[in-house]
Amino acid sequence: NAGVTQTPKFQVLKTGQSMTLQCAQDMNHEYMSWYRQDPGMGLRLIHYSVGAGITDQGEVPNGYNVSRSTTEDFPLRLLSAAPSQTSVYFCASSPGTSGFRDTQYFGPGTRLTVL
Amino acid sequence: RKEVEQDPGPFNVPEGATVAFNCTYSNSASQSFFWYRQDCRKEPKLLMSVYSSGNEDGRFTAQLNRASQYISLLIRDSKLSDSATYLCAVNKRSQGNLIFGKGTKLSVKP
Repeated sequence: NAGVTQTPKFQVLKTGQSMTLQCAQDMNHEYMSWYRQDPGMGLRLIHYSVGAGITDQGEVPNGYNVSRSTTEDFPLRLLSAAPSQTSVYFCASSPGTSGFRDTQYFGPGTRLTVL
Repeated sequence: RKEVEQDPGPFNVPEGATVAFNCTYSNSASQSFFWYRQDCRKEPKLLMSVYSSGNEDGRFTAQLNRASQYISLLIRDSKLSDSATYLCAVNKRSQGNLIFGKGTKLSVKP
């Protein structure tokens, strides 16, 4: 049971490039989400999904796309990278969306630098 | 008022000290409350869920005050290994999303 895995761990992009951050979980969790963490800003929700085929926007969705074709995978796509997207990205999953079933478990993160 | 606010910190305490963190939340309909611990350059990890009646796990005690809309975390007999950033999290009832505070950094010194 690997929990939540993320790849890559580190990435450097040039402005305008696109890329996909991968996230997978093997706990059969329905709920998955993406956060970014910046100094002084805390964790901010980018997008989330309550199940396969269902996604929705969080607090800071602009510049990012997501899809959820399977329960296990929830990739985050940067369409045209900008320096403002330099951040640490965390993927998280939880069993459900009510009560303590919304306890979230985080992946190890991807450190992204956009030049 | 921000949805979730925490003491700004940092807290610098000697080993053996008792330290308390507070966190206020704005949505009175919030149902679930958590404390997470985040080590430097690592992911947040669940420390404790916070129950209405309060709960204790070894040296850690979490309390919830619904009337005043705050949660607290008490660490007794601080250890060097307790040095980390502590994040509180509150669910956003309509979506089930967790909203995190910005965290409070704790440094325990010998």
